[in-house]
Amino acid sequence: GAVVSQHPSRVICKSGTSVKIECRSLDFQATTMFWYRQFPKQSLMLMATSNEGSKATYEQGVEKDKFLINHASLTLSTLTVTSAHPEDSSFYICSAVDRGQPQHFGDGTRLSIL
Amino acid sequence: QKEVEQNSGPLSVPEGAIASLNCTYSDRGSQSFFWYRQYSGKSPELIMSIYSNGDKEDGRFTAQLNKASQYVSLLIRDSQPSDSATYLCAVNEAGTASKLTFGTGTRLQVTL
Repeated sequence: GAVVSQHPSRVICKSGTSVKIECRSLDFQATTMFWYRQFPKQSLMLMATSNEGSKATYEQGVEKDKFLINHASLTLSTLTVTSAHPEDSSFYICSAVDRGQPQHFGDGTRLSIL
Repeated sequence: QKEVEQNSGPLSVPEGAIASLNCTYSDRGSQSFFWYRQYSGKSPELIMSIYSNGDKEDGRFTAQLNKASQYVSLLIRDSQPSDSATYLCAVNEAGTASKLTFGTGTRLQVTL
């Protein structure tokens, strides 16, 4: 149980492109989803918390207009990196949680901006 | 500033030995504690959760929690080369149901 699917697993694109990443909870309803970013040899950095049907809560220093989050249903959240630049290259990971349960992570998306 | 501290390692143990991973946290109101394993290039995988003081065992893994000392640990018995990974300690933020603060992780190397 508690399977979280994240797609795509890898993206390579040109600077200025917008990239959408999907996160789905496959066998449970996720009351909350989280989006993290991880640079090489560093720990997870929380970017934003996403609740179904409401606006995402962004962590300090994360630009909400650059990282658009849409949590359209209890099983789907999307992160769109708008006008991506090389400094946005990173490993983006989502997690989903049913109320009171631990976070379970998707497989991550490795984003490379050329 | 809520903090979760871990020794970055690497912690090197021979195959078959016990690996002991430690974590301290600053938020006294935290109620939920987790250990995640992360292989290089992969996302974290939940291996243990603990909510009350004492020990919790699951197979070769034992989590230990001491809220008074704000300390949580993970023991891995009969360590295997496949246990070589980075282990992340995560602590829930008081007042939130599920938001976690992660440590920087301890890299474990199990040698043959």
